[in-house]
Amino acid sequence: DTGVSQDPRHKITKRGQNVTFRCDPISEHNRLYWYRQTLGQGPEFLTYFQNEAQLEKSRLLSDRFSAERPKGSFSTLEIQRTEQGDSAMYLCASSLGPTYNEQFFGPGTRLTVL
Amino acid sequence: AQTVTQSQPEMSVQEAETVTLSCTYDTSENNYYLFWYKQPPSRQMILVIRQEAYKQQNATENRFSVNFQKAAKSFSLKISDSQLGDTAMYFCASINAGGTSYGKLTFGQGTILTVHP
Repeated sequence: DTGVSQDPRHKITKRGQNVTFRCDPISEHNRLYWYRQTLGQGPEFLTYFQNEAQLEKSRLLSDRFSAERPKGSFSTLEIQRTEQGDSAMYLCASSLGPTYNEQFFGPGTRLTVL
Repeated sequence: AQTVTQSQPEMSVQEAETVTLSCTYDTSENNYYLFWYKQPPSRQMILVIRQEAYKQQNATENRFSVNFQKAAKSFSLKISDSQLGDTAMYFCASINAGGTSYGKLTFGQGTILTVHP
């Protein structure tokens, strides 16, 4: 399967703990996006990478959030000092070519902060 | 800033019938794209159909078609011959193609579609 993969699929943590999620995009895709989706809502943009460069961050991404994409391959999203409001589905997507091309989504990581 | 609004939280349809999902959007850009994505229960989101704003012709993909009304900023999705596998959350989304948008999708709130046998 050469689709977008995310790990873990589910994460339960206690408030105040740090968590890290991983996204492996489709191998030749140069663009990688992170979105957050709360229950019953549409995904909201968090951040964007073109190759290894992080080119845009949403105001939703507080200083407790950090994302990396070393060598332009996989990406990690870390949340420090988690809060209950961080509970959501974190989606990764990748695409190739022009910005309006189809984004391929991963299955997401569901985070529950107790 | 772009906004996308889906005013129908839930819809239902009988198998083999036709259903239309509504979407309105707002943007100050001239060059943009509109999408419908489908998110089946516990499965990942997939693209259903895409419309370029500069094209007047409505996009069609098999049983899925759109009614794109640019002046009204309306972008509805019509599903013909509904199938049980169409049951999913449907999201309308937009992208600015130019400037510094970088291709980030702006999504609506979603419409849960249930197809009944």
